[in-house]
Amino acid sequence: EIVMTQSPATLSVSPGERTTLSCRASQSISSNLAWYQQKPGQAPRLLIYGASTRATGIPARFSGSGSGTEFTLTISSLQSEDFAAYYCQQYSDWLTFGPGTKVDIK
Amino acid sequence: QLQLQESGPGLVKPSETLSLTCTVSGDSISSSTYFWGWIRQPPGKGLEWIGSIYYSGSTYYNPSLKSRVTISVDMSKNQYSLKVTSVTAADTAVYYCARHPGYCSGAKCYYLSWFDPWGQGTLVTVSS
Repeated sequence: EIVMTQSPATLSVSPGERTTLSCRASQSISSNLAWYQQKPGQAPRLLIYGASTRATGIPARFSGSGSGTEFTLTISSLQSEDFAAYYCQQYSDWLTFGPGTKVDIK
Repeated sequence: QLQLQESGPGLVKPSETLSLTCTVSGDSISSSTYFWGWIRQPPGKGLEWIGSIYYSGSTYYNPSLKSRVTISVDMSKNQYSLKVTSVTAADTAVYYCARHPGYCSGAKCYYLSWFDPWGQGTLVTVSS
């Protein structure tokens, strides 16, 4: 099983700041990685797939990069609606998720 | 616009069977380019894929749950269902249904992909 890790577990950020979240796979997954945003009481929403392709309707301030075992999700200028939990998911071998990073207000 | 809606009992007793249904609207569950999956999230914790089904009935399950899980499809109702047997408190979670790209060609299926969209989720508590 491919194990996904995310860092940090919690990130305190001020609105308008640039934010980078990290996701690591226990073995190479090529670009078979997706990112989701989840707000309290809501279902996850797909942000990025293929490591760097934005899903339909996702603002350009969200960008993904990386391949192999190291991936990042960058939010160029954090908006109030972006404070949420973020999960990565690999789909190279079975389907597994990372433990998540919570982005809260500094 | 595609929508998925989970339904089923919110409370299940230990050792019994958890049963949920996902009703799909805005798209046909017999679409040849998608799988239909179940994911769960224990309160305050992360996400765990349970399994997925293709309209033809081909299924793939998380190895850690495979012995207790069955997913089935009812094309006439545009629904698919989840059963988890012998539940314990560890099965308490919000259960989501979600669509993900994939297809089957002959005996080979390609289902490894991302989930989009998701249903709103339903909380199932296992307690006596």
